[in-house]
Amino acid sequence: KAGVTQTPRYLIKTRGQQVTLSCSPISGHRSVSWYQQTPGQGLQFLFEYFSETQRNKGNFPGRFSGRQFSNSRSEMNVSTLELGDSALYLCASSLVRDNEQFFGPGTRLTVL
Amino acid sequence: AQKVTQAQTEISVVEKEDVTLDCVYETRDTTYYLFWYKQPPSGELVFLIRRNSFDEQNEISGRYSWNFQKSTSSFNFTITASQVVDSAVYFCALSERSTGGFKTIFGAGTRLFVKA
Repeated sequence: KAGVTQTPRYLIKTRGQQVTLSCSPISGHRSVSWYQQTPGQGLQFLFEYFSETQRNKGNFPGRFSGRQFSNSRSEMNVSTLELGDSALYLCASSLVRDNEQFFGPGTRLTVL
Repeated sequence: AQKVTQAQTEISVVEKEDVTLDCVYETRDTTYYLFWYKQPPSGELVFLIRRNSFDEQNEISGRYSWNFQKSTSSFNFTITASQVVDSAVYFCALSERSTGGFKTIFGAGTRLFVKA
């Protein structure tokens, strides 16, 4: 069974640009969560999607948004990038929303 | 508000030593889940264990064991006879109900160095 895949794995952008990251969950998993990991702030919850609906959102500005498609694939978008958005963005999927989460390898975003 | 504290930032041990990673959590919910994840140098988080708030039974899996104590809000993780391959960052996480569903909060992580 294929694991969680994230694309792209690495991304370099400049301030002010926008970026879209993609996550394909494990087949059959309907819950997808996104996290931002930085050395200073650790792992922070961004949002969770279940059956195409955002069920929960962390304390991030509106520049961070996401969506989930009918096949459970999810995208997150960050607009007007800032230097502080440089981070490893992790996606996790789970079979049910309170079950163990399986993480993808992450997308490392660098904002210059 | 939920909170997870991993007071140990870094731990260094010599191979074959036992090591315990501490995790203390705060929650107002009666239904919640606790997790441990391992993040090796490759970066991908690996699920180790899940415990729900109604199951205080300790668990052992090979060299790994977990001690869940609701009375002290702790969920500690012990590695017996550590090996170099155990070197990684270990995260404790708490998942509790939030508006619309569950929200998962991670601790800051404990970096474990196991020296040969």
